[in-house]
Amino acid sequence: GQQVKQSSPSLTVQEGGISILNCDYENDMFDYFAWYKKYPDNSPTLLISVRSNVDKREDGRLTVFLNKSGKHFSLHITASQPEDTAVYLCAAGVNQGGSAKLIFGEGTKLTVSS
Amino acid sequence: DMKVTQMPRYLIKRMGENVLLECGQDMSHETMYWYRQDPGLGLQLIYISYDVDSNSEGDIPKGYRVSRKKREHFSLILDSAKTNQTSVYFCASSLGQGARAETLYFGSGTRLTVL
Repeated sequence: GQQVKQSSPSLTVQEGGISILNCDYENDMFDYFAWYKKYPDNSPTLLISVRSNVDKREDGRLTVFLNKSGKHFSLHITASQPEDTAVYLCAAGVNQGGSAKLIFGEGTKLTVSS
Repeated sequence: DMKVTQMPRYLIKRMGENVLLECGQDMSHETMYWYRQDPGLGLQLIYISYDVDSNSEGDIPKGYRVSRKKREHFSLILDSAKTNQTSVYFCASSLGQGARAETLYFGSGTRLTVL
């Protein structure tokens, strides 16, 4: 089954509004959580990440919230702009038997309309 | 200039042909990855390489093999390609092991079509 899941394949937000992207995970051994941004025909790039020892991290217009008991993390983008339109991929990392790997969700396509 | 380079960008092959996808990085990163991206499935991990000749299966390794003979170069090989291997393939690298809070740097992807 999908270990990291983004239940919303798409989201549309008005310019200036708050975009909220959600991600759920199954494995409570995950200890690293990240959001990547991907434009069409481009490669994913890291936006923001957190470790499991914090429940919130802010970076400019971006905030990651981590709810470990609920196995859920989210990305909030304030003052959303048309250039925020992209696919957002959540990812969770786990160390298994000395080997680490990053598992990605399916992605949410965010459209910011002006 | 930190870069992950994938070749080729687009590739069309017939079913049963062998396919070689190449990836290089100029950052001396230890760890390299191959993912494939399909609609509705996100990025699925095929293989990880922790260093030269130190490769590990990801979540969907069946039908693929990899080769890493130099730290800066990681190849994905499809022996006898199948139509369900039509996908966009991304290579990535990270300084250490990805889940230890290391940023993954991705290549621009190879769009493979198997007819």
